[in-house]
Amino acid sequence: KNEVEQSPQNLTAQEGEFITINCSYSVGISALHWLQQHPGGGIVSLFMLSSGKKKHGRLIATINIQEKHSSLHITASHPRDSAVYICAVRREYGNKLVFGAGTILRVKS
Amino acid sequence: KAGVTQTPRYLIKTRGQQVTLSCSPISGHRSVSWYQQTPGQGLQFLFEYFSETQRNKGNFPGRFSGRQFSNSRSEMNVSTLELGDSALYLCASSSLQGAGLPYGYTFGSGTRLTVV
Repeated sequence: KNEVEQSPQNLTAQEGEFITINCSYSVGISALHWLQQHPGGGIVSLFMLSSGKKKHGRLIATINIQEKHSSLHITASHPRDSAVYICAVRREYGNKLVFGAGTILRVKS
Repeated sequence: KAGVTQTPRYLIKTRGQQVTLSCSPISGHRSVSWYQQTPGQGLQFLFEYFSETQRNKGNFPGRFSGRQFSNSRSEMNVSTLELGDSALYLCASSSLQGAGLPYGYTFGSGTRLTVV
């Protein structure tokens, strides 16, 4: 079993919909990152979380340390949000980053 | 300010050759990490450097090595290339927060290596 599991693997939404991507992990962590990767490879670091909730524009990220679970929400989705969203955790011991397989999001207009 | 710069952007090498990739971090960032991305394995951590010292290493064979210079620029080297080394190699730089925990990451655009 992978240490970091994301769901869903693929997601197609209509413009304006509220989107949720989930990330579950099985190891102790010191931080969790949400990354966005557009076609062509460029990766943008969206959030780094160690507790609670963060908001940036239409993006909201939450983490529940006890349940080992994080969610990334996109409100009022737009076609430009179409990308791969990747969850990554930094292990509490050893300090290494472990990545989820990513969620491919397509927002249709 | 300038972002993370990776060179070259594209590279084609023959099996058995070696390759060196370069990463220049954001000015002031002292931590550089490297990642391999393939369609089959996704993103995988290679190694991480801070102040010329390797802090962490992923589960890759010894053919993969790296180093960091005093100006924080980093290079990674892959010797005796195999077809399976074809991938997008990404580096990221970060500043430090607290007890050595990098605060966020800024990624370069990557080097796409094709081994034929």
